[in-house]
Amino acid sequence: KQEVTQIPAALSVPEGENLVLNCSFTDSAIYNLQWFRQDPGKGLTSLLLIQSSQREQTSGRLNASLDKSSGRSTLYIAASQPGDSATYLCAVYNTDKLIFGTGTRLQVFP
Amino acid sequence: GAVVSQHPSWVICKSGTSVKIECRSLDFQATTMFWYRQFPKQSLMLMATSNEGSKATYEQGVEKDKFLINHASLTLSTLTVTSAHPEDSSFYICSARGGIYGYTFGSGTRLTVV
Repeated sequence: KQEVTQIPAALSVPEGENLVLNCSFTDSAIYNLQWFRQDPGKGLTSLLLIQSSQREQTSGRLNASLDKSSGRSTLYIAASQPGDSATYLCAVYNTDKLIFGTGTRLQVFP
Repeated sequence: GAVVSQHPSWVICKSGTSVKIECRSLDFQATTMFWYRQFPKQSLMLMATSNEGSKATYEQGVEKDKFLINHASLTLSTLTVTSAHPEDSSFYICSARGGIYGYTFGSGTRLTVV
């Protein structure tokens, strides 16, 4: 059974810091991995999708990497801003289902 | 880009009544939609997979008679919480396969049963 874990569970940092959020999964036979952002009481916003043949994807200040063999993905946030405060979720494609990680609650203070 | 519209965004109902939540794909067709449930400060748990024109596939432990799913068209799936009880209070989110990111999510529905 696929299990997805995210570390740390919560993170509070001052504005401007570079951050690394970690995601690990137990079954390396995944199709793709996706990172999402969720604001309190809201739905999910897709950030980055890494296909199984790719090793990383970049969008603005965000960079996500994928190492299937070790069952790990990292989301790098450069020059963090208060507007980045949210919960970040990774999810792996397991057949046709998304299996979500436990999430990292990020707070960036001015 | 792909957009999924979910309504209502919040609903309060009395215990014993039924509530229907709609999930629409606005600019693409979705043969498959998914329904998730999220408790406070927890991650999303898949409840069921909704397939257009056929019966939904429920995850283990999800009562299919309590959570009725209908996917009658390529753009609409509905989740009906029947005979709701306070323990059904939760945040429900739908998603559809489509768009450049693979999966697109609705904005969620906050259900409170009193």
